[in-house]
Amino acid sequence: ETGVTQTPRHLVMGMTNKKSLKCEQHLGHNAMYWYKQSAKKPLELMFVYSLEERVENNSVPSRFSPECPNSSHLFLHLHTLQPEDSALYLCASSRLPSSSYNEQFFGPGTRLTVL
Amino acid sequence: AQKITQTQPGMFVQEKEAVTLDCTYDTSDQSYGLFWYKQPSSGEMIFLIYQGSYDEQNATEGRYSLNFQKARKSANLVISASQLGDSAMYFCAMSGAGSYQLTFGKGTKLSVIP
Repeated sequence: ETGVTQTPRHLVMGMTNKKSLKCEQHLGHNAMYWYKQSAKKPLELMFVYSLEERVENNSVPSRFSPECPNSSHLFLHLHTLQPEDSALYLCASSRLPSSSYNEQFFGPGTRLTVL
Repeated sequence: AQKITQTQPGMFVQEKEAVTLDCTYDTSDQSYGLFWYKQPSSGEMIFLIYQGSYDEQNATEGRYSLNFQKARKSANLVISASQLGDSAMYFCAMSGAGSYQLTFGKGTKLSVIP
């Protein structure tokens, strides 16, 4: 495997389900990110982990719970979601930001549908 | 706070022609970076090109070039010799010095016509 991988690629869940999204990076990076991409809206940064510690949490509802067990893996645990949470969830990784350069490498995303 | 504006929701270009995708930005940072990403229908965001705010020359990567006009706060993407595979969403983004945050615009959907 190379780059950033995400599983599953597609997920349909009911509002009472619990599911998890998985992200793995094979680039030796130390920072990992979760983004939400809804139709006709800019990408929204949800969480940032740097060296396995959460460094940013942009007012995300508690029904989304991230976990970063090591620098290569990132999870997003989902619980009692709402239909408006249906979106493409993208994972990204990068080296630690230096100067103004923060090139992020993205995975293919998980298309989530909440019924 | 940073803001990216992409005013073209959709663009059409004839195959083999050049096309310019517009991006303007707003920031109070003195040091920042500008990025362009491509997102095909498959969903993955693909990094295309980067321009640092202190770089004096415009960035180029193969058929991609970034027309950076700092005074106008614009960072337009130029794609030369368009190919059918260039059909995708294109996002402009920026990051402040040492920041984890990438701020994205709403994107431009480019369609290449045979």
